[in-house]
Amino acid sequence: AQSVSQHNHHVILSEAASLELGCNYSYGGTVNLFWYVQYPGQHLQLLLKYFSGDPLVKGIKGFEAEFIKSKFSFNLRKPSVQWSDTAEYFCAVTPRGAGSYQLTFGKGTKLSVIP
Amino acid sequence: GAGVSQSPSNKVTEKGKDVELRCDPISGHTALYWYRQSLGQGLEFLIYFQGNSAPDKSGLPSDRFSAERTGGSVSTLTIQRTQQEDSAVYLCASSPPGQSTNEKLFFGSGTQLSVL
Repeated sequence: AQSVSQHNHHVILSEAASLELGCNYSYGGTVNLFWYVQYPGQHLQLLLKYFSGDPLVKGIKGFEAEFIKSKFSFNLRKPSVQWSDTAEYFCAVTPRGAGSYQLTFGKGTKLSVIP
Repeated sequence: GAGVSQSPSNKVTEKGKDVELRCDPISGHTALYWYRQSLGQGLEFLIYFQGNSAPDKSGLPSDRFSAERTGGSVSTLTIQRTQQEDSAVYLCASSPPGQSTNEKLFFGSGTQLSVL
């Protein structure tokens, strides 16, 4: 079974600082990778995803993530955060292939951006 | 409505009572998922429905938990004889047909269950 590890429980940054949230997964085969975000008072929504191709994927609101297969990592980055990025971020993985519908999530990283 | 709707948004119950949580997916979405988010934990998969196929119940933590989906639309998650460890946010998500490997899930706002 697959698992996901997010290294930071809570990250506090000032506006304009750069962001990198770590995500490592454990699975022996090919995977699809996701970052979901939950803004305060809102539901979870997809930020970006990687299925195949260019390992550097871009999502909404200036976020990007890089899949490094050799490191089993899919870190989330943003060059300059804004107060509105305050949210909880979840990394998720699913095995690629028929019937691969079960997303496994990490425990989440809470990001607080100070104006 | 435009999104996944869950009710109630909050539920407080006494230990030992049964509870029912409801999920109304986006119209036309064939796949429906239930996840549980306990305090400080990630989302834990509970159950998956896809069209008329038999559901994947592999994530249900005990036989006190059951779920059904009527008419391929609304789903109800039932927890019998609730325990304090059942306290969590129960999230429902749906996805449209034609997607491969759950490209994008649409989540509801969840039901916060508190068992006293």
